[in-house]
Amino acid sequence: SAVISQKPSRDICQRGTSLTIQCQVDSQVTMMFWYRQQPGQSLTLIATANQGSEATYESGFVIDKFPISRPNLTFSTLTVSNMSPEDSSIYLCSASGGEFFEQYFGPGTRLTVT
Amino acid sequence: GESVGLHLPTLSVQEGDNSIINCAYSNSASDYFIWYKQESGKGPQFIIDIRSNMDKRQGQRVTVLLNKTVKHLSLQIAATQPGDSAVYFCAERTNDYKLSFGAGTTVTVRA
Repeated sequence: SAVISQKPSRDICQRGTSLTIQCQVDSQVTMMFWYRQQPGQSLTLIATANQGSEATYESGFVIDKFPISRPNLTFSTLTVSNMSPEDSSIYLCSASGGEFFEQYFGPGTRLTVT
Repeated sequence: GESVGLHLPTLSVQEGDNSIINCAYSNSASDYFIWYKQESGKGPQFIIDIRSNMDKRQGQRVTVLLNKTVKHLSLQIAATQPGDSAVYFCAERTNDYKLSFGAGTTVTVRA
């Protein structure tokens, strides 16, 4: 299984600012994803981070708000731009690889926007 | 769109008893299913998976059953322990290797 780390683990930010979350995997993986989990809720996929090309966003999420980078097979970043209190959530990175493309998650980044 | 759902939002179980967590899915094209455990303040932890060409898979103290006829998935935990208290999510893999998650079941283990 892949070991995934995220930085920062939590942050409190002012509205109108941006935060970049980093995701590091301990081995090369085929696919990386970013999810949002609002308090007490399930996980919602934001986008698939594609290595060497633009991310693929799910309905309701746009690149201007959530720009994503994936410069190599072990690292990705998600930026939450022009934040508002509605962006307060847990942001989770996941990685998928192996024979059956099992998907593993990082510990999450807990974001509070004031 | 189609999504994965869970039958019960909460489950209270006596320590030492067996737990059964249920999940209904609606996408007949899904080929792969995963159960995750999420403890408070942590990311989802991979428990066990099953492919659509199987109907049962066993791990350490856990068993996943898949009934494709009625589109039902269940997770059985044997001899439930306090450390099993968490939220459990089922997820189905649709196209492009993306996962669709159910609402989650909160399991509380009574001492």
